[in-house]
Amino acid sequence: ETGVTQTPRHLVMGMTNKKSLKCEQHLGHNAMYWYKQSAKKPLELMFVYSLEERVENNSVPSRFSPECPNSSHLFLHLHTLQPEDSALYLCASSGGISARELFFGEGSRLTVL
Amino acid sequence: GQQLNQSPQSMFIQEGEDVSMNCTSSSIFNTWLWYKQDPGEGPVLLIALYKAGELTSNGRLTAQFGITRKDSFLNISASIPSDVGIYFCAGLSDSNYQLIWGAGTKLIIKP
Repeated sequence: ETGVTQTPRHLVMGMTNKKSLKCEQHLGHNAMYWYKQSAKKPLELMFVYSLEERVENNSVPSRFSPECPNSSHLFLHLHTLQPEDSALYLCASSGGISARELFFGEGSRLTVL
Repeated sequence: GQQLNQSPQSMFIQEGEDVSMNCTSSSIFNTWLWYKQDPGEGPVLLIALYKAGELTSNGRLTAQFGITRKDSFLNISASIPSDVGIYFCAGLSDSNYQLIWGAGTKLIIKP
């Protein structure tokens, strides 16, 4: 199994839909992250979880709602999104929040119509 | 907030050419990381640097942690088609435990 797995790989949703992105890591890490990637921009950190507790929320709109039920799984719940939320959403994990090296999943490409 | 300037934004090169890219910061960093992102994939760590002046290689890739601790360089020698992708630098400063990212350098190899 790959280290960090994200599903779905592609998602198209309307502005009134509710959907979720899922991330699973098989590396035994205890920190997990959601990043937003837009073309030609630096990766934007959205949320950080350490030992299942949220330790960072970088002023992300409430239409994005993360959930970390255990140290191996991370979800991003989406509702009433806007077209400008269309992007690649990357999940990553690390050995701890002070660990310097992140391991990324393949990303979920989100298109909001 | 802290920002990294990564250049060039894109590069068009011939197969076999050497490639150089760099990142600069306005503040001092204690860690520099270089990632590569293939189309349709997430970023993958190439090289990690932890000490000023450090020079580290990974195959045809060589990266350096600048002496001033405000910059880092990545060189690719004798490029091949599978080198295409986006290369990102990322750094950690003493004042922030989260990585700061550059905007990426897109490498395109001309046939």
